[in-house]
Amino acid sequence: AQTVTQSQPEMSVQEAETVTLSCTYDTSESDYYLFWYKQPPSRQMILVIRQEAYKQQNATENRFSVNFQKAAKSFSLKISDSQLGDAAMYFCAYGADGLTFGKGTHLIIQP
Amino acid sequence: EAEVAQSPRYKITEKSQAVAFWCDPISGHATLYWYRQILGQGPELLVQFQDESVVDDSQLPKDRFSAERLKGVDSTLKIQPAELGDSAMYLCASSLAGDLGAQGEQYFGPGTRLTVT
Repeated sequence: AQTVTQSQPEMSVQEAETVTLSCTYDTSESDYYLFWYKQPPSRQMILVIRQEAYKQQNATENRFSVNFQKAAKSFSLKISDSQLGDAAMYFCAYGADGLTFGKGTHLIIQP
Repeated sequence: EAEVAQSPRYKITEKSQAVAFWCDPISGHATLYWYRQILGQGPELLVQFQDESVVDDSQLPKDRFSAERLKGVDSTLKIQPAELGDSAMYLCASSLAGDLGAQGEQYFGPGTRLTVT
């Protein structure tokens, strides 16, 4: 079974600084997807960024980018120029047939 | 902007009672998912529908949980009888397609927070 590990239960960053959230996964599949989801307090979960495993180029969405290391099974999320609205739970998810989520990282933005 | 609707948002019930949650996906989305999210953990898939058919219910505790999507649109998740360990957030998500590519992006509803006393 696939597993997703987020080793940072909580991270704190100053507004306007950069923060990196870590994620590792375990799989024997060669073709799959990886995702980062954001869950703000009392609001619905939304997709932040996706990465197809067959693509070597790291995905980027505005201030959000990933560092995908397929051999190391690592998929970290970098948030640049952190904003107060980035405060949320962030979940890393692995997808082949369905989605398997990690336990999440609580991101705190210090003003 | 179209959203996934869920009701109720909060539900408190006593153990051994029956409880039901409702989900209305985004119009045109053929695939519907129910997840359970225990406090402090990530969501866990309970059941996946493609139109009105169940695609995956391998993690659904079938002795007490049931799910249906009779007309391939909205869906109901039922627990009977509820147990203390069922306290969690129940999330519904929908997508255009059941794959994980661009067509399969999942849109989540706000969830139903269940407390069993």
